[in-house]
Amino acid sequence: SYVLTQPPSVSVAPGKTAAITCGGINIGSKGVHWYQQKPGQSPVLVIYYDDERASGIPERFSASNSGDTATLTISRAEAGDEADYHCQVWDSGVDRVVFGGGTKLTVL
Amino acid sequence: VQLQESGPGLVKPSGTLSLSCAVSSDSINNNFWWSWVRQPPGKALEWIGEIHHSGSVNYTPSLKTRVTISMDQSKNQFLLRLTSVTAADTATYYCTRVFSSGSYMDYWGQGTLVTVSS
Repeated sequence: SYVLTQPPSVSVAPGKTAAITCGGINIGSKGVHWYQQKPGQSPVLVIYYDDERASGIPERFSASNSGDTATLTISRAEAGDEADYHCQVWDSGVDRVVFGGGTKLTVL
Repeated sequence: VQLQESGPGLVKPSGTLSLSCAVSSDSINNNFWWSWVRQPPGKALEWIGEIHHSGSVNYTPSLKTRVTISMDQSKNQFLLRLTSVTAADTATYYCTRVFSSGSYMDYWGQGTLVTVSS
């Protein structure tokens, strides 16, 4: 079955750029979606279909997808960006949604 | 669009977990899909399945023998039923709106914690 691999944690200094990766075999051929989940809250859609920002999401959030890695980039990181970030694809081989393990972003 | 999960917060082992998701400011008969996602405490999101008003459903293979997702058009809600539950089914359960089958989830409910324990 298809597996998405994310680093458990990423740290970034305020004002700097954070990159969160999501690895999967030939993930560049799939549409990747990203969610932000703050503690105690439901996930919120951030990016859909590789690089489209969801409504209300700041331009500081961008993403790309190529080869075996999709990347969510957060520019000018702020304390309010601290959250878990999850990537998601559709595994057409078995008709199911797959989530990555999630990455905890710390801004310090 | 708002989604609201409801159902028992405690289910006994070997029992059946039943949740409903009430949808407001949208109709479940519109051309979207509707799904259930769960998250065990401190763990990753896990997709359970999705349904379309046409009657099409998709389930994750690991739960397929125990799960049923259905719709109640009269109440504009969709339902989750999971049988033979164990402690491993303890999780926060979310209902979501899905843009198209297997696509992105643009609206999420607040989630409801279901604990499996005697």
